Amino acid sequence: EAGVTQSPTHLIKTRGQQATLRCSPISGHTSVYWYQQALGLGLQFLLWYDEGEERNRGNFPPRFSGRQFPNYSSELNVNALELEDSALYLCASSVHTGSSYNEQFFGPGTRLTVL
Amino acid sequence: AQSVSQHNHHVILSEAASLELGCNYSYGGTVNLFWYVQYPGQHLQLLLKYFSGDPLVKGIKGFEAEFIKSKFSFNLRKPSVQWSDTAEYFCAVKPNTNAGKSTFGDGTTLTVKP
Repeated sequence: EAGVTQSPTHLIKTRGQQATLRCSPISGHTSVYWYQQALGLGLQFLLWYDEGEERNRGNFPPRFSGRQFPNYSSELNVNALELEDSALYLCASSVHTGSSYNEQFFGPGTRLTVL
Repeated sequence: AQSVSQHNHHVILSEAASLELGCNYSYGGTVNLFWYVQYPGQHLQLLLKYFSGDPLVKGIKGFEAEFIKSKFSFNLRKPSVQWSDTAEYFCAVKPNTNAGKSTFGDGTTLTVKP
């Protein structure tokens, strides 16, 4: 079974540009989560999508946005890039939302570098 | 809002030493608790999890963790570490609600010397 995939592996942008990161969840998973892992820091929750809707959002400015497509894949868009946006962006997927446990399966990440 | 605190940022041990990594969380309700591990060059992967029941949970590769509700803690343990346990370890908390998001600690880097 294929795991969570992310593209691109690396992305280099300059300040003010826009970045688009993509994530394909494990087949059968409807929830997709995005995290930012800056150097030396833990994972900071960005966004959670399930069944095409945004379910929860972390403490990030509105220039961080995303969407989930009907096939449950997801995009993370970062507008007006700033130097401090340089980080590893991780995507995770899980089976479904609800009060029951949802183990998250992580992808390899996209390394975004803003120059 | 919930938070997770991992007390040790970097732990260095010799092979066969015992390991305990601390994790404390703050949240007033019922939670699900996780430890994830990231080996060098690999994805984050689940080490073990706790939902309910026996507070002592066992995971892969000989790891275990104990949930102590009164202390809001979920410490990770292994009686005898190996060089291959060198990795970064993350504790995570997820409220047991429909819209609960997972909060991760800052991680603990474990280096095991052969």
